Amino acid sequence: QVQLQESGPGLVKPSQTLSLTCTVSGGSISSGGYYWSWIRQHPGKGLEWIGYIYYSGSTYYNPSLKSRVTISVDTSKNQFSLKLSSVTAADTAVYYCARDDHYDSSGYVYWGQGTLVTVSS
Amino acid sequence: QSVLTQPPSASGTPGQRVTISCSGSSSNIGSNYVYWYQQLPGTAPKLLIYRNNQRPSGVPDRFSGSKSGTSASLAISGLRSEDEADYYCAAWDDSLSGLYVFGTGTKVTVL
Repeated sequence: QVQLQESGPGLVKPSQTLSLTCTVSGGSISSGGYYWSWIRQHPGKGLEWIGYIYYSGSTYYNPSLKSRVTISVDTSKNQFSLKLSSVTAADTAVYYCARDDHYDSSGYVYWGQGTLVTVSS
Repeated sequence: QSVLTQPPSASGTPGQRVTISCSGSSSNIGSNYVYWYQQLPGTAPKLLIYRNNQRPSGVPDRFSGSKSGTSASLAISGLRSEDEADYYCAAWDDSLSGLYVFGTGTKVTVL
């Protein structure tokens, strides 16, 4: 059973960089066919897709966040990471990592439990 | 920012059938599969429907999905108290070469 777990600071100061890591267990991140993704949810609001990385390192980001987002992968640790720069209070949200089973269009089957990141001084 | 529009709320009594609509465009629902996610309070979303109308193993057949043109819908039959949750539709969008878009979300209340 594939499991994903987010980790990182729960509090980030304005203008700084938010950094989160997603550790994958029960499956190899190097397996092709999956988009390893980040999705966030502002408090009391809907879901916002941030972007994904393929095991090869290719990425795609939501255009609305593209200038501030970097997603990277460390296959040796079976982890992928999110960096969001120049954060403001508007970036306060629950951040989820998830796996899109893209090779057969099965959708986001596996999700992490989510981690709340608050941007505040 | 959501480009998929859902009604904010829907409700029904136990045993009833509830339907949630999801309206998109030719670049997303019109040309790609639709997915539905259920989010219980305080938990991560759970995949409910994939490829328009397929259920992952473990999802009750009370949940069904359909798609027509640039719209899709999720039906919950035999409504149960544990179905009270937020529901989101989603699809890939070709207009920006790979963006995944979620619907605005629908809160289902079991009366």
